[in-house]
Amino acid sequence: EVQLVESGGGLVQPGRSLKLSCLASGFTFSNYGMNWIRQAPGKGLEWVASISSSSSYIYYADTVKGRFTISRDNAKNTLYLQMTSLRSEDTALYYCASTYLDYWGQGVMVTVSS
Amino acid sequence: DIQMTQSPSSLSASLGDRVTITCRASQDIGNYLSWFQQKPGKSPRLMIYGATNLEDGVPSRFSGSRSGSDYSLTISSLESEDTAIYYCLQYDKYPPYTFGAGTKLELK
Repeated sequence: EVQLVESGGGLVQPGRSLKLSCLASGFTFSNYGMNWIRQAPGKGLEWVASISSSSSYIYYADTVKGRFTISRDNAKNTLYLQMTSLRSEDTALYYCASTYLDYWGQGVMVTVSS
Repeated sequence: DIQMTQSPSSLSASLGDRVTITCRASQDIGNYLSWFQQKPGKSPRLMIYGATNLEDGVPSRFSGSRSGSDYSLTISSLESEDTAIYYCLQYDKYPPYTFGAGTKLELK
C-alpha cells in the first residue's frame, strides 16, 4: 500500500524558516517524481513545487520561487520542502503527492503568524 | 501560464440527478486533464486522468469528456457520498500545474 506521511509543520513567525518532510512507502520512491501542493484555509489547491526522480528537474510556482527549495533523499525515501522567508500568505495545509497526483499524503499544517 | 476556468463554483442537485462540471482551458492542453474529489477534512482523490480515464476504484457513474477546450466531469446518477468539492487540473504545459477554482457539490 502506498503511503505518504508529511511532518514538520507548525506555527512560525513571518520571515522565519521551516522544513517539511514526506516519508514515502509502498512503492519504489526513487523511480518517481514528486510534488508539493498546498491549500490555504477554505481555499483551493495550489501546486507549489515538483522534483524529478533523480532531482535533475526541479520546478517552482512563482509565488514561492527563491524562497522554497524542494529536495529528496532517495536512500531515505523522503521528500523535503525547505521554506524560508515565510509570509502570512504561506499559511496552508501542505500535501506531498506522487508524480501524477494519484497518491497524496494527509497533509501538514503550516501557520505563519506573529 | 494556462488558466483553467471551472464552472459552476457551486451546485445543488438531488439524489439520482445527472451532474456536470466543466473546466475550460485557456490554451490547448490536449487530454492532459485530471479531476479530483475532495471531501471535508480529507486529501484530494484522483478520479479521472487523461480527460476520460477512470482511476482504479472510482465508481462507474463518474465519467470525463472533452469538447474542444472544454473538459467535463459527469456524475450520471448522484449519490449522497458524491457531495464534495471537485477540482480540475491541467498537467500538459508545466510549470505550473494549474488547478481550477473548484466546484462545491451539495445535495438539494
